[in-house]
Amino acid sequence: KNEVEQSPQNLTAQEGEFITINCSYSVGISALHWLQQHPGGGIVSLFMLSSGKKKHGRLIATINIQEKHSSLHITASHPRDSAVYICAVKGGGADGLTFGKGTHLIIQP
Amino acid sequence: NAGVMQNPRHLVRRRGQEARLRCSPMKGHSHVYWYRQLPEEGLKFMVYLQKENIIDESGMPKERFSAEFPKEGPSILRIQQVVRGDSAAYFCASSPDRIYSHEQYFGPGTRLTVT
Repeated sequence: KNEVEQSPQNLTAQEGEFITINCSYSVGISALHWLQQHPGGGIVSLFMLSSGKKKHGRLIATINIQEKHSSLHITASHPRDSAVYICAVKGGGADGLTFGKGTHLIIQP
Repeated sequence: NAGVMQNPRHLVRRRGQEARLRCSPMKGHSHVYWYRQLPEEGLKFMVYLQKENIIDESGMPKERFSAEFPKEGPSILRIQQVVRGDSAAYFCASSPDRIYSHEQYFGPGTRLTVT
């Protein structure tokens, strides 16, 4: 069974700051997802990756398979980036995704 | 290409009633996953289905909960005799097939409130 740990649990930053959210998992995976959830809202898939690095606008996701670790970076953060960011992995023999508890991000103007 | 659709978006039920949650996968997807997000908790896997077949229901509560994905129509998550503890957001995701089960696309969720 895969264990997924995210850090930090809560993060408050000023507009414009560079943000990093970390995710570690315990067993091998076939893919890792970064998801975004606004309060009371649905889930938006930001990235799915199995190796290397992906970039979309101000968001960058990296994964190190050997270290079993992934990071989500936000450059030039903006108040609209305020949301819960969730790491989820597919692997360890499970059919469904296993989720981290999420990182509550608040960007203050 | 429409994404994953769920309805209703919000559902209010009194204790003891039945709740039916629907999920229509993306076009071309034949595999559906249901997840539950309890208040102040993370998302948890419930069940994995393909058309007319339950593949993995290891995350489903043993009683009152059932799921189906018929040959025609949406996948249905059914909760009988709801209790307050069933209040949660229920999300479904779909994938093209089991080989690509790592590519899951999420629906907007159904928020169930039990009064």
